[in-house]
Amino acid sequence: DAKTTQPTSMDCAEGRAANLPCNHSTISGNEYVYWYRQIHSQGPQYIIHGLKNNETNEMASLIITEDRKSSTLILPHATLRDTAVYYCIVRYPGAGSYQLTFGKGTKLSVIP
Amino acid sequence: DSGVTQTPKHLITATGQRVTLRCSPRSGDLSVYWYQQSLDQGLQFLIQYYNGEERAKGNILERFSAQQFPDLHSELNLSSLELGDSALYFCASSAGQGARGEQFFGPGTRLTVL
Repeated sequence: DAKTTQPTSMDCAEGRAANLPCNHSTISGNEYVYWYRQIHSQGPQYIIHGLKNNETNEMASLIITEDRKSSTLILPHATLRDTAVYYCIVRYPGAGSYQLTFGKGTKLSVIP
Repeated sequence: DSGVTQTPKHLITATGQRVTLRCSPRSGDLSVYWYQQSLDQGLQFLIQYYNGEERAKGNILERFSAQQFPDLHSELNLSSLELGDSALYFCASSAGQGARGEQFFGPGTRLTVL
């Protein structure tokens, strides 16, 4: 699986959009980008994933650059409950590669 | 609530002892994964079972073993415990073998080895 680089920490004002970047310059053509988050020692929570097109669900939007070397997770209106560690994971969803490989992630602090 | 349950929530034991952690996956999910989260190593994949059979192995120590039963619940057995085994242990489940990447995590078991 391709390696990812994320900032160690970020702050965001409550009510504003939180934009979390992820660099995955060595991503290959069949690898997907997944985002999970972990709120203070709770189990990680799946947020969203995508291959090349931008994706949106009820939690967030995922913007993947055209060259697929980076992506941004957008929380449109951050709340205090969005304070968590956000993990960007790049993986090929094929045989023998079903586990998730977590890096250090980005600690997002939503400020009142 | 992810639908994945883990017991116990907390476990305190002594070095050299053996413990069993239990996980019940979401209804209908056939895959169970075990992860370990320690302060210095972060979240690490240990092992995956699919419909009762071992599918993938990660950085799981030989002192650790797991199994998945016919009713699909899984147990992680940790033996000859050391201080360094103190960690959060998470179980996750997915509908298929895990290709889609959407894994649903339980609340974890916090193991403290004294």
